[in-house]
Amino acid sequence: DAGITQSPRHKVTETGTPVTLRCHQTENHRYMYWYRQDPGHGLRLIHYSYGVKDTDKGEVSDGYSVSRSKTEDFLLTLESATSSQTSVYFCAISGISELGTGIETQYFGPGTRLLVL
Amino acid sequence: SQQGEEDPQALSIQEGENATMNCSYKTSINNLQWYRQNSGRGLVHLILIRSNEREKHSGRLRVTLDTSKKSSSLLITASRAADTASYFCATGFGATNKLIFGTGTLLAVQP
Repeated sequence: DAGITQSPRHKVTETGTPVTLRCHQTENHRYMYWYRQDPGHGLRLIHYSYGVKDTDKGEVSDGYSVSRSKTEDFLLTLESATSSQTSVYFCAISGISELGTGIETQYFGPGTRLLVL
Repeated sequence: SQQGEEDPQALSIQEGENATMNCSYKTSINNLQWYRQNSGRGLVHLILIRSNEREKHSGRLRVTLDTSKKSSSLLITASRAADTASYFCATGFGATNKLIFGTGTLLAVQP
């Protein structure tokens, strides 16, 4: 999985509790992404980061916040988890392509299965 | 939504046959990528085709891109049971090449 780890891999939590998911990379890539995957929706971008302390929203960012204090770590926080946030969460990274043509391929972590009861 | 649509949603074939899956999208793109996901795993990049390319090959994979029709196809030749997986197209757009994923095609290759 291209030097990307996610923790925890599985989590069960209750509605209203805060949850933080961690993505850690050893590739020194500049860009990091958080997606959620749900049946019938494919992968949808939650937030992404284009550098340390530089983040932006994706298409489904409501209810989520992120932080990136160092290149290798990208945290996703659910401030107050809801049942609709039950999903599989994937982190991805990307950097400048080998041809120097810009950001292209993304490399994905193994995913975190989150169940909110 | 700029989300890609994939067709078919599910495909079952015999080992040795070819598998073709299609992807349509709605807006101008930088590139189109195909990813594979085995059950319970993360996505693995297969192949990328840029907007100025029409066809690309990688091993048993052949990808075509028709920007006038905003569509792409992925052909897997001489399929194997190990090709059983979900396949997703993703369109890259904008300065940071954000990806929009389709809903995927579930391919089952029967031995």
